[in-house]
Amino acid sequence: EIVLTQSPGTLSLSPGERATLSCRASQSVSSNYLAWYQQKPGQAPRLLMYGASSRATGIPDRFSGSGSGTDFTLTISRLEPEDLAVYYCHQYETSPRTFGQGTKVEIK
Amino acid sequence: EVQLVQSGAEVKKPGESLKISCQGSGYSFTDYWIGWVRQMPGKGLEWMGMIYPGDSDTRYNPSFQGHVTISADRSINTAYLQWSSLKASDTAMYYCGRGGFFDLWGQGTLVTVSS
Repeated sequence: EIVLTQSPGTLSLSPGERATLSCRASQSVSSNYLAWYQQKPGQAPRLLMYGASSRATGIPDRFSGSGSGTDFTLTISRLEPEDLAVYYCHQYETSPRTFGQGTKVEIK
Repeated sequence: EVQLVQSGAEVKKPGESLKISCQGSGYSFTDYWIGWVRQMPGKGLEWMGMIYPGDSDTRYNPSFQGHVTISADRSINTAYLQWSSLKASDTAMYYCGRGGFFDLWGQGTLVTVSS
């Protein structure tokens, strides 16, 4: 099973700042089958990125994804108050599919 | 509208059985995998397994295999997650999602197991 480790656990930033979220895999995720989700309080998760760097439909361009192999990054270029959420990475290359434990983004 | 609609919240006792559902609409249900995800109170997301309604090919997370059954009825565009004997530790929100990566999510079904 591929274990995904996200860091930091919590990120506290002010509106307009840049947020950098990390997801490290215990083994290579080939074909970059890595997705990112946003889960706001009391809501179902929402797809942000797939294929490591492809933005899902309707996602603002302040969200971007990068990385390959075992190291992946989600960047929010200019944080907005509505970005308060927990963010999860997810590998969908091998079974069992796995999620990271999440990074909570707080807005100062 | 393309959507996944899940069945409503359930309150059960330990040892009881349960089957929850996830109905797809607005797209070809048999062309996409449907996966199930558990979220225990205050915790993260856990991938439980998935089914391809087109041919009922099913994959399980070993952590859940033997305790849950995933099935689908393509005649009514519905996937199911069922337990034959619930435990208190099954108390959680359960989500269904479409595809290998989940580009569409159901609204969630809250399952509470308590004596």
